[in-house]
Amino acid sequence: DGGITQSPKYLFRKEGQNVTLSCEQNLNHDAMYWYRQDPGQGLRLIYYSQIVNDFQKGDIAEGYSVSREKKESFPLTVTSAQKNPTAFYLCASSIGSRGNQPQHFGDGTRLSIL
Amino acid sequence: ELKVEQNPLFLSMQEGKNYTIYCNYSTTSDRLYWYRQDPGKSLESLFVLLSNGAVKQEGRLMASLDTKARLSTLHITAAVHDLSATYFCAVDFWRDDKIIFGKGTRLHILP
Repeated sequence: DGGITQSPKYLFRKEGQNVTLSCEQNLNHDAMYWYRQDPGQGLRLIYYSQIVNDFQKGDIAEGYSVSREKKESFPLTVTSAQKNPTAFYLCASSIGSRGNQPQHFGDGTRLSIL
Repeated sequence: ELKVEQNPLFLSMQEGKNYTIYCNYSTTSDRLYWYRQDPGKSLESLFVLLSNGAVKQEGRLMASLDTKARLSTLHITAAVHDLSATYFCAVDFWRDDKIIFGKGTRLHILP
């Protein structure tokens, strides 16, 4: 079955450490997204990518970095510059960035500070 | 400023009752999505609304879009406990190249 796989499900970060969240999709979608969700809040866009080797900052990109070397993969690195990283991170993909199809979401990674 | 506002943010209702969740947005768009999220889980797509007057129904849920009023509604008919979840609307402000999510409506249906 096609879908989006995020790993790990839970992640703990020590102070000063960079951590990387994995996102892989086998839906053959061009566009991929990273969102952050805080309790009681909606989703806020961190980064998105419409095509391989290209990505754009979202509304809250500071302290995060991404790469898009392959169509299927869009890893997110939470750097030590992100002072409040505790949140639920969701990766999504869609056929195109401006298609008429909804986004498909992974199961999320919950990141906490040790 | 691009805004998406949902109300109510929390709704507790009895089984068998009807209720409506509202999604208002700030500027013109004719592309709106509704998602469901169970606690600790991912988002599941419910409805895609792509034109003024669009209406979609699935079981006890019905969604509509009024682009002139910049309003979408998600109507729940004869609620059952299984519908307890958080519901999000997301608006594609395609002219500004942004998709904005509402804060979600946490729906709790009491048996």
